[in-house]
Amino acid sequence: NAGVTQTPKFQVLKTGQSMTLQCAQDMNHEYMSWYRQDPGMGLRLIHYSVGAGITDQGEVPNGYNVSRSTTEDFPLRLLSAAPSQTSVYFCASSYLGNRDSGNTIYFGEGSWLTVV
Amino acid sequence: RKEVEQDPGPFNVPEGATVAFNCTYSNSASQSFFWYRQDCRKEPKLLMSVYSSGNEDGRFTAQLNRASQYISLLIRDSKLSDSATYLCVVKGESGYSTLTFGKGTMLLVSP
Repeated sequence: NAGVTQTPKFQVLKTGQSMTLQCAQDMNHEYMSWYRQDPGMGLRLIHYSVGAGITDQGEVPNGYNVSRSTTEDFPLRLLSAAPSQTSVYFCASSYLGNRDSGNTIYFGEGSWLTVV
Repeated sequence: RKEVEQDPGPFNVPEGATVAFNCTYSNSASQSFFWYRQDCRKEPKLLMSVYSSGNEDGRFTAQLNRASQYISLLIRDSKLSDSATYLCVVKGESGYSTLTFGKGTMLLVSP
């Protein structure tokens, strides 16, 4: 019963380094997304995908790339890390459409990223 | 006006108390409404959806007022385990990209 799995849970990067946050879900959800959560800011959408091969930008996409080659995986890439990207990152997934369960978004446990 | 607004709290209440949170939203076309609970350093988890007619789940009651554009969450007989941050979430008229999260209201229940 894995649900949404994110790795790594903790990461420290130096400014300018690149890295990938991994996200996988085993619920066959069409929709996947990445959020960042900062103190006093709430959850903000970075990128999202409504299916394999389809991605789109959210509210705060700059400095991040995503791809969706399979239904299960939705990695988030930091191209050149900056201190402003220090945050907690959550991957989330859900069904699309009007199913009763379609309104429920399931979150991964979060990835704590510090950029120094 | 911010899209989804919540009082950040914290709300400090003793065990057994009744506490209510409100949340206002700015987009009158919003379609769906939810309360999520987030424990410290954990991911948000769905507490309950909010329906126009109001709905109850045990000690939790959610209400929606479309005319005034606010939703509420009432917690009766508070438990220590209710201590968490409660996020108000609003879904727009199309697509999941229009999910908007409030910043959350912190609840602290003391013995």
